[in-house]
Amino acid sequence: DAKTTQPPSMDCAEGRAANLPCNHSTISGNEYVYWYRQIHSQGPQYIIHGLKNNETNEMASLIITEDRKSSTLILPHATLRDTAVYYCIVIQGAQKLVFGQGTRLTINP
Amino acid sequence: GAVVSQHPSWVICKSGTSVKIECRSLDFQATTMFWYRQFPKQSLMLMATSNEGSKATYEQGVEKDKFLINHASLTLSTLTVTSAHPEDSSFYICSALSGQLNTDTQYFGPGTRLTVL
Repeated sequence: DAKTTQPPSMDCAEGRAANLPCNHSTISGNEYVYWYRQIHSQGPQYIIHGLKNNETNEMASLIITEDRKSSTLILPHATLRDTAVYYCIVIQGAQKLVFGQGTRLTINP
Repeated sequence: GAVVSQHPSWVICKSGTSVKIECRSLDFQATTMFWYRQFPKQSLMLMATSNEGSKATYEQGVEKDKFLINHASLTLSTLTVTSAHPEDSSFYICSALSGQLNTDTQYFGPGTRLTVL
Protein backbone atom coordinates (compact mmCIF):
# COMPACT_ATOMS: atom_id res chain seq x y z
CA ASP A 1 0.00 0.00 0.00
CA ALA A 2 1.08 3.54 -0.72
CA LYS A 3 2.36 5.45 2.27
CA THR A 4 1.10 8.77 0.99
CA THR A 5 -2.21 10.57 0.69
CA GLN A 6 -2.97 12.98 -2.13
CA PRO A 7 -6.13 14.73 -3.30
CA PRO A 8 -7.61 12.89 -6.26
CA SER A 9 -7.84 15.94 -8.48
CA MET A 10 -6.92 19.62 -8.72
CA ASP A 11 -7.39 22.43 -11.17
CA CYS A 12 -5.08 25.34 -11.86
CA ALA A 13 -5.14 28.24 -14.28
CA GLU A 14 -2.46 28.44 -16.90
CA GLY A 15 0.39 30.70 -15.83
CA ARG A 16 -0.38 30.40 -12.16
CA ALA A 17 1.54 28.35 -9.61
CA ALA A 18 0.24 24.84 -9.04
CA ASN A 19 0.66 23.61 -5.47
CA LEU A 20 0.18 19.88 -5.03
CA PRO A 21 0.00 18.61 -1.44
CA CYS A 22 1.02 15.21 -0.13
CA ASN A 23 0.67 13.72 3.33
CA HIS A 24 3.16 11.12 4.52
CA SER A 25 2.65 11.08 8.26
CA THR A 26 4.35 7.69 8.77
CA ILE A 27 7.55 8.58 6.94
CA SER A 28 10.70 7.30 8.61
CA GLY A 29 13.95 9.18 9.04
CA ASN A 30 15.79 7.64 6.10
CA GLU A 31 12.94 7.75 3.59
CA TYR A 32 12.95 10.20 0.72
CA VAL A 33 9.96 11.93 -0.85
CA TYR A 34 9.86 11.46 -4.62
CA TRP A 35 7.54 13.09 -7.14
CA TYR A 36 6.76 11.69 -10.55
CA ARG A 37 4.13 12.62 -13.09
CA GLN A 38 2.45 10.65 -15.82
CA ILE A 39 1.06 12.31 -18.88
CA HIS A 40 -1.65 10.32 -20.58
CA SER A 41 -0.38 7.13 -22.27
CA GLN A 42 3.25 7.81 -21.38
CA GLY A 43 5.68 6.43 -18.82
CA PRO A 44 6.12 8.32 -15.56
CA GLN A 45 8.54 11.23 -15.57
CA TYR A 46 10.81 11.96 -12.64
CA ILE A 47 10.32 15.47 -11.26
CA ILE A 48 12.17 15.94 -8.01
CA HIS A 49 12.98 14.34 -4.69
CA GLY A 50 14.11 15.38 -1.23
CA LEU A 51 14.90 14.14 2.24
CA LYS A 52 14.28 17.06 4.60
CA ASN A 53 15.52 20.21 2.94
CA ASN A 54 13.54 22.08 0.35
CA GLU A 55 14.67 21.36 -3.19
CA THR A 56 14.38 23.17 -6.49
CA ASN A 57 15.23 22.21 -10.04
CA GLU A 58 14.30 23.36 -13.50
CA MET A 59 10.91 21.66 -13.30
CA ALA A 60 9.61 22.33 -9.82
CA SER A 61 10.18 23.08 -6.16
CA LEU A 62 9.63 20.68 -3.29
CA ILE A 63 8.74 22.02 0.12
CA ILE A 64 8.96 19.54 2.99
CA THR A 65 7.58 20.46 6.40
CA GLU A 66 9.94 20.46 9.33
CA ASP A 67 8.33 17.35 10.84
CA ARG A 68 8.50 15.73 7.37
CA LYS A 69 4.91 14.56 7.62
CA SER A 70 3.82 16.42 4.54
CA SER A 71 5.20 18.10 1.46
CA THR A 72 4.11 20.32 -1.41
CA LEU A 73 5.20 20.16 -5.02
CA ILE A 74 5.16 23.57 -6.66
CA LEU A 75 5.02 24.13 -10.40
CA PRO A 76 5.76 27.86 -10.50
CA HIS A 77 4.17 28.76 -13.83
CA ALA A 78 1.86 25.99 -14.94
CA THR A 79 1.33 25.38 -18.65
CA LEU A 80 -1.18 23.20 -20.45
CA ARG A 81 1.55 20.58 -20.88
CA ASP A 82 1.68 20.17 -17.12
CA THR A 83 -1.70 18.45 -17.18
CA ALA A 84 -0.95 14.98 -15.82
CA VAL A 85 -1.33 12.64 -12.87
CA TYR A 86 1.20 13.52 -10.17
CA TYR A 87 2.46 10.86 -7.81
CA CYS A 88 4.06 11.47 -4.44
CA ILE A 89 6.03 8.43 -3.27
CA VAL A 90 7.99 7.75 -0.12
CA ILE A 91 10.91 5.42 -0.56
CA GLN A 92 14.06 4.32 1.20
CA GLY A 93 17.06 3.76 -1.01
CA ALA A 94 16.86 1.65 -4.15
CA GLN A 95 13.53 0.11 -3.32
CA LYS A 96 10.53 -0.58 -5.48
CA LEU A 97 8.17 2.30 -6.02
CA VAL A 98 4.60 1.87 -4.79
CA PHE A 99 2.26 4.07 -6.79
CA GLY A 100 -0.95 5.30 -5.24
CA GLN A 101 -3.73 6.94 -7.22
CA GLY A 102 -1.96 10.30 -7.38
CA THR A 103 -3.46 13.71 -8.09
CA ARG A 104 -4.94 14.39 -11.49
CA LEU A 105 -3.88 17.99 -12.20
CA THR A 106 -5.73 19.83 -14.92
CA ILE A 107 -4.33 23.11 -16.18
CA ASN A 108 -7.05 25.31 -17.62
CA PRO A 109 -6.45 27.96 -20.29
CA GLY B 1 20.94 11.99 -19.49
CA ALA B 2 18.81 9.25 -17.90
CA VAL B 3 16.98 8.14 -21.03
CA VAL B 4 15.18 4.82 -21.07
CA SER B 5 13.67 3.42 -24.24
CA GLN B 6 11.21 0.63 -24.89
CA HIS B 7 10.52 -1.35 -28.01
CA PRO B 8 8.02 -1.78 -29.43
CA SER B 9 5.83 1.15 -28.38
CA TRP B 10 2.75 -0.87 -29.20
CA VAL B 11 2.01 -4.39 -30.34
CA ILE B 12 -1.07 -6.36 -31.32
CA CYS B 13 -0.90 -10.13 -31.22
CA LYS B 14 -3.13 -13.16 -31.39
CA SER B 15 -4.11 -15.12 -28.33
CA GLY B 16 -1.63 -17.88 -27.57
CA THR B 17 1.40 -16.19 -29.06
CA SER B 18 4.40 -14.77 -27.20
CA VAL B 19 5.51 -11.16 -27.21
CA LYS B 20 8.90 -9.76 -26.25
CA ILE B 21 9.32 -6.22 -24.98
CA GLU B 22 12.75 -4.61 -24.71
CA CYS B 23 13.83 -1.99 -22.20
CA ARG B 24 17.12 -0.16 -22.71
CA SER B 25 18.97 2.44 -20.70
CA LEU B 26 20.54 4.60 -23.40
CA ASP B 27 23.03 6.75 -21.55
CA PHE B 28 23.69 4.98 -18.29
CA GLN B 29 24.22 1.52 -16.88
CA ALA B 30 21.27 0.10 -15.02
CA THR B 31 22.12 -2.38 -12.33
CA THR B 32 18.45 -2.84 -11.57
CA MET B 33 15.40 -2.62 -13.79
CA PHE B 34 11.75 -2.84 -12.87
CA TRP B 35 8.72 -3.92 -14.87
CA TYR B 36 5.30 -2.43 -14.22
CA ARG B 37 1.85 -3.01 -15.65
CA GLN B 38 -0.93 -0.47 -15.85
CA PHE B 39 -4.54 -1.26 -16.70
CA PRO B 40 -6.90 1.49 -17.92
CA LYS B 41 -7.73 4.09 -15.30
CA GLN B 42 -5.55 2.35 -12.73
CA SER B 43 -2.19 3.12 -11.23
CA LEU B 44 1.07 1.36 -12.02
CA MET B 45 1.57 -2.03 -10.43
CA LEU B 46 5.05 -3.49 -10.03
CA MET B 47 5.43 -6.89 -11.64
CA ALA B 48 9.07 -7.75 -11.02
CA THR B 49 12.53 -6.48 -10.20
CA SER B 50 15.48 -7.63 -12.22
CA ASN B 51 19.15 -7.29 -11.43
CA GLU B 52 21.77 -7.73 -14.10
CA GLY B 53 23.02 -11.29 -14.27
CA SER B 54 20.59 -12.75 -11.76
CA LYS B 55 17.06 -14.06 -11.68
CA ALA B 56 14.20 -11.62 -11.43
CA THR B 57 12.18 -11.21 -8.25
CA TYR B 58 8.46 -11.34 -8.94
CA GLU B 59 5.71 -9.66 -6.96
CA GLN B 60 3.03 -11.75 -5.38
CA GLY B 61 0.45 -12.90 -7.88
CA VAL B 62 2.68 -12.45 -10.94
CA GLU B 63 3.39 -15.73 -12.73
CA LYS B 64 7.09 -16.03 -13.38
CA ASP B 65 6.60 -18.71 -16.01
CA LYS B 66 4.24 -16.48 -17.94
CA PHE B 67 6.20 -13.25 -17.70
CA LEU B 68 9.81 -14.13 -18.48
CA ILE B 69 12.36 -11.48 -17.60
CA ASN B 70 15.95 -11.45 -18.77
CA HIS B 71 18.47 -8.81 -17.70
CA ALA B 72 21.52 -9.99 -19.58
CA SER B 73 23.42 -6.71 -19.68
CA LEU B 74 23.63 -3.44 -17.81
CA THR B 75 21.67 -1.67 -20.51
CA LEU B 76 19.04 -4.19 -21.57
CA SER B 77 16.19 -6.04 -19.92
CA THR B 78 13.49 -7.96 -21.75
CA LEU B 79 10.00 -9.01 -20.74
CA THR B 80 8.41 -11.86 -22.66
CA VAL B 81 4.70 -12.43 -22.25
CA THR B 82 4.23 -16.09 -23.08
CA SER B 83 1.00 -17.57 -24.38
CA ALA B 84 -0.66 -14.18 -24.23
CA HIS B 85 -4.39 -13.93 -23.60
CA PRO B 86 -6.76 -10.98 -23.89
CA GLU B 87 -6.55 -10.37 -20.13
CA ASP B 88 -2.83 -9.67 -20.58
CA SER B 89 -3.69 -6.62 -22.66
CA SER B 90 -2.20 -3.72 -20.76
CA PHE B 91 0.36 -0.92 -20.74
CA TYR B 92 3.77 -2.33 -19.78
CA ILE B 93 6.35 0.10 -18.47
CA CYS B 94 9.93 -0.45 -17.41
CA SER B 95 12.18 1.65 -15.25
CA ALA B 96 15.92 1.64 -14.71
CA LEU B 97 17.91 2.46 -11.64
CA SER B 98 21.44 3.77 -11.56
CA GLY B 99 23.34 5.02 -8.59
CA GLN B 100 25.74 6.71 -11.00
CA LEU B 101 23.37 9.46 -12.02
CA ASN B 102 20.98 10.46 -9.31
CA THR B 103 21.23 8.16 -6.37
CA ASP B 104 18.40 5.66 -6.24
CA THR B 105 16.19 7.49 -8.73
CA GLN B 106 14.22 5.35 -11.16
CA TYR B 107 13.86 6.56 -14.73
CA PHE B 108 10.97 5.22 -16.77
CA GLY B 109 10.59 4.16 -20.34
CA PRO B 110 7.73 5.41 -22.52
CA GLY B 111 5.75 2.21 -22.16
CA THR B 112 4.53 -0.54 -24.49
CA ARG B 113 0.86 -1.00 -25.15
CA LEU B 114 0.00 -4.66 -25.66
CA THR B 115 -3.30 -5.70 -27.19
CA VAL B 116 -4.07 -9.40 -27.36
CA LEU B 117 -6.88 -10.37 -29.70
